[in-house]
Amino acid sequence: QQQVKQSPQSLIVQKGGISIINCAYENTAFDYFPWYQQFPGKGPALLIAIRPDVSEKKEGRFTISFNKSAKQFSLHIMDSQPGDSATYFCAAHVGTGGFKTIFGAGTRLFVKA
Amino acid sequence: NAGVTQTPKFRVLKTGQSMTLLCAQDMNHEYMYWYRQDPGMGLRLIHYSVGEGTTAKGEVPDGYNVSRLKKQNFLLGLESAAPSQTSVYFCASRDRSYEQYFGPGTRLTVT
Repeated sequence: QQQVKQSPQSLIVQKGGISIINCAYENTAFDYFPWYQQFPGKGPALLIAIRPDVSEKKEGRFTISFNKSAKQFSLHIMDSQPGDSATYFCAAHVGTGGFKTIFGAGTRLFVKA
Repeated sequence: NAGVTQTPKFRVLKTGQSMTLLCAQDMNHEYMYWYRQDPGMGLRLIHYSVGEGTTAKGEVPDGYNVSRLKKQNFLLGLESAAPSQTSVYFCASRDRSYEQYFGPGTRLTVT
């Protein structure tokens, strides 16, 4: 299975709160799991990424948690700010023999001031 | 560096018309991709290229053709546009790392 399932579709969080977006996958050949951030009218841009040999990666207010046995990974945005309001896509890169990244459907995050 | 650029930014076509979308990158990347983005469906891969002169089909290739005659350019063609091809099209490129660099997108409407 090549799908990456992302939830929720949309999320509203108060300023200062924690935003959590979840993704699940089936294909154990995926070997790289990035999160992309997209602002309206712009192309997606890489936010943070993780490989399956680590369980957590943190960059500033953004953390990826990775559960290899459950085939799930999530993005946590700590101290969410109005400037974080954007669409977030999880993704998974096909491993050996593949050159493609499969994207989740996206989560629209709105952070209320 | 301009990164990844796309031409045009907006276009309206009538059903049956043809057009070519141009993607250019100045990062000397080997891999290039064309995606379409539709509400609630994320980014779906149309075609991709792993190097100059090569192309391959992605998830949703029907109705599109591509060419990669020069390493820096990746062209997406619609031979006979259909309303179902109304979408926002993104081009992306990457080097041997997995990070993809996206262009600003082309908003296409087919009436």
